[in-house]
Amino acid sequence: DTGVSQDPRHKITKRGQNVTFRCDPISEHNRLYWYRQTLGQGPEFLTYFQNEAQLEKSRLLSDRFSAERPKGSFSTLEIQRTEQGDSAMYLCASSLGGLQGDLLGGYTFGSGTRLTVV
Amino acid sequence: AQKVTQAQTEISVVEKEDVTLDCVYETRDTTYYLFWYKQPPSGELVFLIRRNSFDEQNEISGRYSWNFQKSTSSFNFTITASQVVDSAVYFCALSVGTDKLIFGTGTRLQVFP
Repeated sequence: DTGVSQDPRHKITKRGQNVTFRCDPISEHNRLYWYRQTLGQGPEFLTYFQNEAQLEKSRLLSDRFSAERPKGSFSTLEIQRTEQGDSAMYLCASSLGGLQGDLLGGYTFGSGTRLTVV
Repeated sequence: AQKVTQAQTEISVVEKEDVTLDCVYETRDTTYYLFWYKQPPSGELVFLIRRNSFDEQNEISGRYSWNFQKSTSSFNFTITASQVVDSAVYFCALSVGTDKLIFGTGTRLQVFP
């Protein structure tokens, strides 16, 4: 396993279009997280899954955003009717267990999908 | 409310200098975790360390060391004898009660040869 994979690496879309990103976590990791990072800022939490269950969603995740992890493996993040304010790096991470539990360290992050809405 | 402040936006040093990155956190909870991540130009966040609120022992890992002081709500990170490969953005983060991380705005470190 080579780590957390995200696809695509870059996406340019016109305002109003829908986009979907994919994240493949480390295979034995049961938790998967989505974060958004805008230029010059730290990542902001969007949502996370334990297996296929979505356990927490940020208020940042408006009704235009939806995330799924149907079989508890890969996850998709869809943004409908994109706006220029959605331009950001979307980061996925995975972990075995939770940060508060028996995990010795932090998550493993992917390289992100950079979205540009024009 | 929980918050992480990294007041230093950018730091420039010459190779072999020591450098300290500051992190101040806010939380009213007594149980929490603190983290440092490195984000090189490639963009991938690399985990460096996690500390829980009950363990105030300072930690050293090679050229890296961390100073956790609950009295000042600080979790500072020192790189000794910096190298060009240390150039990156460094983020401090806090986790309280859930698995989500609250990140600071990061400190960009540039190490010049």
